[in-house]
Amino acid sequence: DAGVIQSPRHEVTEMGQEVTLRCKPISGHDYLFWYRQTMMRGLELLIYFNNNVPIDDSGMPEDRFSAKMPNASFSTLKIQPSEPRDSAVYFCASSFTGPVNYGYTFGSGTRLTVV
Amino acid sequence: QQQVKQSPQSLIVQKGGISIINCAYENTAFDYFPWYQQFPGKGPALLIAIRPDVSEKKEGRFTISFNKSAKQFSLHIMDSQPGDSATYFCAASRGGGATNKLIFGTGTLLAVQP
Repeated sequence: DAGVIQSPRHEVTEMGQEVTLRCKPISGHDYLFWYRQTMMRGLELLIYFNNNVPIDDSGMPEDRFSAKMPNASFSTLKIQPSEPRDSAVYFCASSFTGPVNYGYTFGSGTRLTVV
Repeated sequence: QQQVKQSPQSLIVQKGGISIINCAYENTAFDYFPWYQQFPGKGPALLIAIRPDVSEKKEGRFTISFNKSAKQFSLHIMDSQPGDSATYFCAASRGGGATNKLIFGTGTLLAVQP
């Protein structure tokens, strides 16, 4: 398996533009998590899904942020409109329900810069 | 109560030395405590994890020590190597871990000098 795949790896956009980050979880994983990492705040959970259904979105900072998971193999995190303070590394992670706890598998992240 | 406090923020250790990173939590409902390792440009990766029914877990050179009464846990890296240089995050969750949201500490940047 190729692991959790995120795209793009880097994104530079202008303030006010719409940004869409993409994630392909590991096949067979039934949980998907979106985290944001900054120097000031560390790793923050934004939202997570179970079987494509959003379970907890209390970490989504504002209405400008939205996330979807239309099927088991794809999720998006959208920011509209983007602001400079949204600059961060955004990680997607997946996991599965099973007798052995293998933890989360993280993707390599998308580094977002809003100028 | 949802926070996990981690220290130190950064750590420099000589090759062959012991690296120790500490974490503390408040929420007694937490029942799963993993440590993740992150290299530059990569996502965090699970290193080792412990549940509160044991006080210590060892995997190779990595050991978690857990003190339930003090609500603290720590990562010990024995015989530290330059390849261990990375950022380490402690985390906590309740209800199993792999399928529940993890609350991460703020991270410790470890540098092992040759």
